[in-house]
Amino acid sequence: DAGVIQSPRHEVTEMGQEVTLRCKPISGHDYLFWYRQTMMRGLELLIYFNNNVPIDDSGMPEDRFSAKMPNASFSTLKIQPSEPRDSAVYFCASSRSTGGVGNEQFFGPGTRLTVL
Amino acid sequence: AQSVTQPDIHITVSEGASLELRCNYSYGATPYLFWYVQSPGQGLQLLLKYFSGDTLVQGIKGFEAEFKRSQSSFNLRKPSVHWSDAAEYFCALDTGRRALTFGSGTRLQVQP
Repeated sequence: DAGVIQSPRHEVTEMGQEVTLRCKPISGHDYLFWYRQTMMRGLELLIYFNNNVPIDDSGMPEDRFSAKMPNASFSTLKIQPSEPRDSAVYFCASSRSTGGVGNEQFFGPGTRLTVL
Repeated sequence: AQSVTQPDIHITVSEGASLELRCNYSYGATPYLFWYVQSPGQGLQLLLKYFSGDTLVQGIKGFEAEFKRSQSSFNLRKPSVHWSDAAEYFCALDTGRRALTFGSGTRLQVQP
């Protein structure tokens, strides 16, 4: 399996622009997570889905952030409009529910976002 | 609310020396506990996890961790560190809702 795939790997944009990050989870995984990593706040959960349905979006910073999962093999995280404080590495992770809670989450390589 | 504390931001050890990375958690019950490693520019890789049962768990790359309920700790250990172990290490917990709460991480530097 190719693992969790994220694109782009690097994104540089200007303040006010729309940014879309993409994620393809591992086939057969029914949980998908979006995390953000910054020096100041560390790794924090933004949102997660189960069977394409958002379960907990309490970590989404504000209305400028939105996430969708139109099908089991694709998810997007969109920031509109972007701000310099959104600069971070955004990770997507997936896991499967069989075997109960606490299953391993597999992480993608991340998207490094820089907002100028 | 749950939380994870990694008291050591940065640790330097000599190659071949033993290693212990500290992790303390705050949660009203026994959580599911994990250690992940992140190499520069990479995603996170699972080293080991604790669910229940034996409090000493073995992981990949020669790592082990011990769960101590009385101390709310889940420290990571390795008897002999290799230069390739230089990375950032994250302790995390899952309270059962499947999403992870991470500690702030410990950066490990290995001296030759």
